[in-house]
Amino acid sequence: QQQVKQSPQSLIVQKGGISIINCAYENTAFDYFPWYQQFPGKGPALLIAIRPDVSEKKEGRFTISFNKSAKQFSLHIMDSQPGDSATYFCAASMGTDKLIFGTGTRLQVFP
Amino acid sequence: GAVVSQHPSRVICKSGTSVKIECRSLDFQATTMFWYRQFPKKSLMLMATSNEGSKATYEQGVEKDKFLINHASLTLSTLTVTSAHPEDSSFYICSARSLARAYQETQYFGPGTRLLVL
Repeated sequence: QQQVKQSPQSLIVQKGGISIINCAYENTAFDYFPWYQQFPGKGPALLIAIRPDVSEKKEGRFTISFNKSAKQFSLHIMDSQPGDSATYFCAASMGTDKLIFGTGTRLQVFP
Repeated sequence: GAVVSQHPSRVICKSGTSVKIECRSLDFQATTMFWYRQFPKKSLMLMATSNEGSKATYEQGVEKDKFLINHASLTLSTLTVTSAHPEDSSFYICSARSLARAYQETQYFGPGTRLLVL
């Protein structure tokens, strides 16, 4: 019940396209869902986060869609750019408890 | 805001020696700090959670005598890898969280420390 399943493992998108990464969870007590971006050799950086009381949150080109009934949430990167090429991790937690991370998605955006 | 630093960024040591890694929150007080380990192309593995002034809570399977964690102040936590061996070579990342911030659950990550044990 503590797992967060992330897919796909890798994603190749053309510049200007939409990148979509999906995550699913089982523990309905999770109430905080962040997405992190990590470049090689660097620490993860918080991109955007959502709580289950909203179904969508948008910040610039990044949007989280949240489906509470399906226990799924996804990250959409609009107008994907080569600079977005990185590994993306979804995560979930119950309040201030520890974060449970997904397995990561390696995104490559080609010009 | 919410900047976390780590020092050193990379370290090479001989087998059997101890290595200390520092994690600092630069512009906020971190009530809780976390230490993670990450293998190449893998997700982050939580090693331990530390609260200022109290003993760290280690995850199952993590040797607390090997990975010593000290959270002496609200801005500094240290991880000491004692008697390091080649299998301890990894990327170590800390994160910090503040109950004073709007999103109390948010963890802010440091840039990581690459440890290579020869």
